[in-house]
Amino acid sequence: EIVMTQSPATLSVSPGERATLSCRASQSVSSNLAWYQQKPGQAPRLLIYGASTRATGIPARFSGSGSGTEFTLTISSLQSEDFAVYYCQQYNNWPLYTFGQGTKLEIK
Amino acid sequence: QVQLVQSGAEVKKPGASVKVSCKASGYTFTSYGISWVRQAPGQGLEWMGWISAYNGNTNYAQKLQGRVTMTTDTSTSTAYMELRSLRSDDTAVYYCARVEYYYDSSGSMRGGAFDIWGQGTMVTVSS
Repeated sequence: EIVMTQSPATLSVSPGERATLSCRASQSVSSNLAWYQQKPGQAPRLLIYGASTRATGIPARFSGSGSGTEFTLTISSLQSEDFAVYYCQQYNNWPLYTFGQGTKLEIK
Repeated sequence: QVQLVQSGAEVKKPGASVKVSCKASGYTFTSYGISWVRQAPGQGLEWMGWISAYNGNTNYAQKLQGRVTMTTDTSTSTAYMELRSLRSDDTAVYYCARVEYYYDSSGSMRGGAFDIWGQGTMVTVSS
């Protein structure tokens, strides 16, 4: 099983600043990596797939990078609606999927 | 619009079974897969399994093998997830999600990210 490890567990950032979230895979997942955003009481929402492609309707302030085992989600200028929990997911091992444990992005 | 609508909340006793439905609309059901994901209270996302809406092929998370069954009814564009021998640690919100397919560099079709999610179904297991 491919283990996905996210860091940090909690990230405190001020509105308007940049946030950088990390995700590491226990073995290479190529670019088969997605990022999701989840707000309290809501279903997750797809932000990024293919490690760097924004999903439909996702603002340009969200960007993804990386390949192999190291990935980054960057939010360039945090808006109030961006404070949420973020999950990475690998699908290189399809049809077996795994999620990271999540990073909570909170207001500083 | 494209959406997945799930059945309502359930309360079950330990040892019982639960069957959650997920009705798709706004797209060709058989052109995508469906995955199920659960989230225990205050915890992260746990992938449970995948089903092809085209031919019914399935793949389940190892820890749930033998207790979970995923099916689809193409006549109603509905996916189902049944979990048996319920325990208290099965208490969670259960989500269905649409799986988008893509072709890799060798031309093989593979499942990708989960682009549409249902609203979630709370399943509580309690005596």
